[in-house]
Amino acid sequence: DAGVTQSPTHLIKTRGQQVTLRCSPKSGHDTVSWYQQALGQGPQFIFQYYEEEERQRGNFPDRFSGHQFPNYSSELNVNALLLGDSALYLCASSLMGQVGAYYEQYFGPGTRLTVT
Amino acid sequence: AQSVTQLDSHVSVSEGTPVLLRCNYSSSYSPSLFWYVQHPNKGLQLLLKYTSAATLVKGINGFEAEFKKSETSFHLTKPSAHMSDAAEYFCVVSRRGKLIFGQGTELSVKP
Repeated sequence: DAGVTQSPTHLIKTRGQQVTLRCSPKSGHDTVSWYQQALGQGPQFIFQYYEEEERQRGNFPDRFSGHQFPNYSSELNVNALLLGDSALYLCASSLMGQVGAYYEQYFGPGTRLTVT
Repeated sequence: AQSVTQLDSHVSVSEGTPVLLRCNYSSSYSPSLFWYVQHPNKGLQLLLKYTSAATLVKGINGFEAEFKKSETSFHLTKPSAHMSDAAEYFCVVSRRGKLIFGQGTELSVKP
């Protein structure tokens, strides 16, 4: 049973560029959430996708956008990169509406983004 | 608003001694609480979750946590630390499917 996978593992971009990160959820899961983890901090919620729609959003600017595909995989796009966007980006998958699941989320290994 | 506070940024123990990582939560209703572990350069792994069925929750690798409503606490414990337990630990509360993380506690284990 494949877990959550993310690509690429590492990425280096220049300030002002755009980046796309990818995530495939755990088999059987239909919901994908994205988190940003700055160095030495706990992860911060960016947004959540279910049924190809953004369902919830955290306190992140519109430069952060996403997409979910019919196969439940997801992309995170960040435009006009800033130095402060350097972080570990984590994808988590879950099963929406599973009674008793208490929103248990399974995380991928993350993508390390460095903005220079 | 829901939140969690991890009371120690760093805890150091000797191998074979007990581990206690402290977490207090704030929630206007019965919370969903989790502990996650993150080893260096790795993703997050779920250790255990509070589902309101029992106040003492057992997780993987010998960890357990006790939900105490009167103290709004959800502390993580392990009777005997192992070198492989060295990692960052996060106390987490769920709010409508969105996970809210504490700042983390780094656990060091000395031989």
